[in-house]
Amino acid sequence: NAGVTQTPKFRVLKTGQSMTLLCAQDMNHEYMYWYRQDPGMGLRLIHYSVGEGTTAKGEVPDGYNVSRLKKQNFLLGLESAAPSQTSVYFCASRGSGEAGELFFGEGSRLTVL
Amino acid sequence: GENVEQHPSTLSVQEGDSAVIKCTYSDSASNYFPWYKQELGKGPQLIIDIRSNVGEKKDQRIAVTLNKTAKHFSLHITETQPEDSAVYFCAATLRYSSASKIIFGSGTRLSIRP
Repeated sequence: NAGVTQTPKFRVLKTGQSMTLLCAQDMNHEYMYWYRQDPGMGLRLIHYSVGEGTTAKGEVPDGYNVSRLKKQNFLLGLESAAPSQTSVYFCASRGSGEAGELFFGEGSRLTVL
Repeated sequence: GENVEQHPSTLSVQEGDSAVIKCTYSDSASNYFPWYKQELGKGPQLIIDIRSNVGEKKDQRIAVTLNKTAKHFSLHITETQPEDSAVYFCAATLRYSSASKIIFGSGTRLSIRP
């Protein structure tokens, strides 16, 4: 059982380049989340989705876009990468209904030069 | 806006001693308070959680207490062991209509000294 899988695990970009991070979950979860983790700042919510075809902004959405075309996948896009987006990105998912456990992927380390 | 504050940012305790990490939250509608442990190079994993209708919950060596009036909750780890060394995050839900956003504290790096 794979759980939550993130690809790629590592990526180096130049300023202005674009890329997409893919999150896939095999638990039939309704809710999916993208967080970024920076030293001393914990996990900050970028965007989230409460179901296929829906997305919503989190705490730090600027510079990112997301899509949830299929229930099992949640894509995070950077249209024009900036050095401030250098971070470790985590995807998480959970079932619908009352708040409960988030299942996290292993993270994607992104460096923007 | 709504946030979760966590203290201390680093904590070092002797093996066998207890460790306490504290968090405060601002959204009075928050009703779910999980704690996550993150080991090096991995994603966070849930270790214990508590809901607003409960004041305390215990699972072997770890316990969580909640004070809704003061809007703070704490993680207690007793008889600490080397494998408890990790980064710990508290979190709280924010309720907007039918969705639940989960906001995290800034993390505590716990080190267990042999």
